[in-house]
Amino acid sequence: DAGITQSPRHKVTETGTPVTLRCHQTENHRYMYWYRQDPGHGLRLIHYSYGVKDTDKGEVSDGYSVSRSKTEDFLLTLESATSSQTSVYFCAISESITDTQYFGPGTRLTVL
Amino acid sequence: DQQVKQNSPSLSVQEGRISILNCDYTNSMFDYFLWYKKYPAEGPTFLISISSIKDKNEDGRFTVFLNKSAKHLSLHIVPSQPGDSAVYFCAASEENTDKLIFGTGTRLQVFP
Repeated sequence: DAGITQSPRHKVTETGTPVTLRCHQTENHRYMYWYRQDPGHGLRLIHYSYGVKDTDKGEVSDGYSVSRSKTEDFLLTLESATSSQTSVYFCAISESITDTQYFGPGTRLTVL
Repeated sequence: DQQVKQNSPSLSVQEGRISILNCDYTNSMFDYFLWYKKYPAEGPTFLISISSIKDKNEDGRFTVFLNKSAKHLSLHIVPSQPGDSAVYFCAASEENTDKLIFGTGTRLQVFP
């Protein structure tokens, strides 16, 4: 299994509070991704990174920001959480642009 | 607009029989297709992939078929085993892009 961890694994928060999710990899892969999984939608890309300090938006990026200051860490921040951001969040990594993506175990976020 | 569609949300198959999971896509620029398997409370794990230059790829009990003219791919599992019970996502990407587009998933249940 690829060395990917996510923290926290579960979080309950209130509307309007900031939340940061962390993805950590030990594979030294260049590409990192954040997805959310919701019933009826599959997995949807939020943001991704193609190197340290290099990030770009995915299809559902509104309300989210990311940062990557080190190769191994990719942070996803909800500046002001809303109930619509209740979801399961997955981080993924890949070695190159055409390489298979490998997923972390996920973070279940509930916004009340 | 869903570019990758899995129209069957669930499938139930008897152990030892064949499981066939289907996926349709609308974007003719997709040239690489993958299947991921997901157990509850875990991240998706890569199962098998196929490039658009092929129409079949086999790995043990798993075979993926691609029909480009119909924009359709299928995953065959033979013989099905109870441990195959999971949610299966198909995904697609365009050449030289790092973005995967996922279907909504099909829940496979293999019963004894």
